[in-house]
Amino acid sequence: GQNIDQPTEMTATEGAIVQINCTYQTSGFNGLFWYQQHAGEAPTFLSYNVLDGLEEKGRFSSFLSRSKGYSYLLLKELQMKDSASYLCAVDSGAGSYQLTFGKGTKLSVIP
Amino acid sequence: DTGVSQNPRHKITKRGQNVTFRCDPISEHNRLYWYRQTLGQGPEFLTYFQNEAQLEKSRLLSDRFSAERPKGSFSTLEIQRTEQGDSAMYLCASSSRADGAYEQYFGPGTRLTVT
Repeated sequence: GQNIDQPTEMTATEGAIVQINCTYQTSGFNGLFWYQQHAGEAPTFLSYNVLDGLEEKGRFSSFLSRSKGYSYLLLKELQMKDSASYLCAVDSGAGSYQLTFGKGTKLSVIP
Repeated sequence: DTGVSQNPRHKITKRGQNVTFRCDPISEHNRLYWYRQTLGQGPEFLTYFQNEAQLEKSRLLSDRFSAERPKGSFSTLEIQRTEQGDSAMYLCASSSRADGAYEQYFGPGTRLTVT
């Protein structure tokens, strides 16, 4: 089966750095995605990792270790608008590129 | 291009009624997905189209659910004899590998409430 774990909630201070972890156990692996989802809105794509290492995109970075089944999303210089749920999703290589999502981490940014 | 669109945005129906949702993907995207999301959960995969062919269906998709993509453009998802457990947000996403990346772009969703 497929299992993706991430913390349910996190709180961080405006201007700080926060790391959201994700561990996965899937039947196959063809890439890991991070999505941001504001309440009542659709998920929006943040990052994609298929090889080990760090991918940086502005204030957001994502890391992958395939041998450990582990990824994290790093958010720097937090802003109030970063308050949202962050979804970790794995393409398990089933051929359809369907994504298996974790339950999401609700991040609250406080002043 | 305005992205993925879905209609209606909200639907309230009585148990036992049939409902149909529509998804218009990004025009050049050949892959289309349907997901279902309930409160506090991540989206769950329902079904996948490549062009007009429905290539995969989740075991979550009971025989009350049917999806079509008749001309490889827009798609419809129909739920027959709705049940209260069908209440959820139904998300459509599309993607293409044309540019070497294949992230899925999601529509705003249709929120279904079954009373």
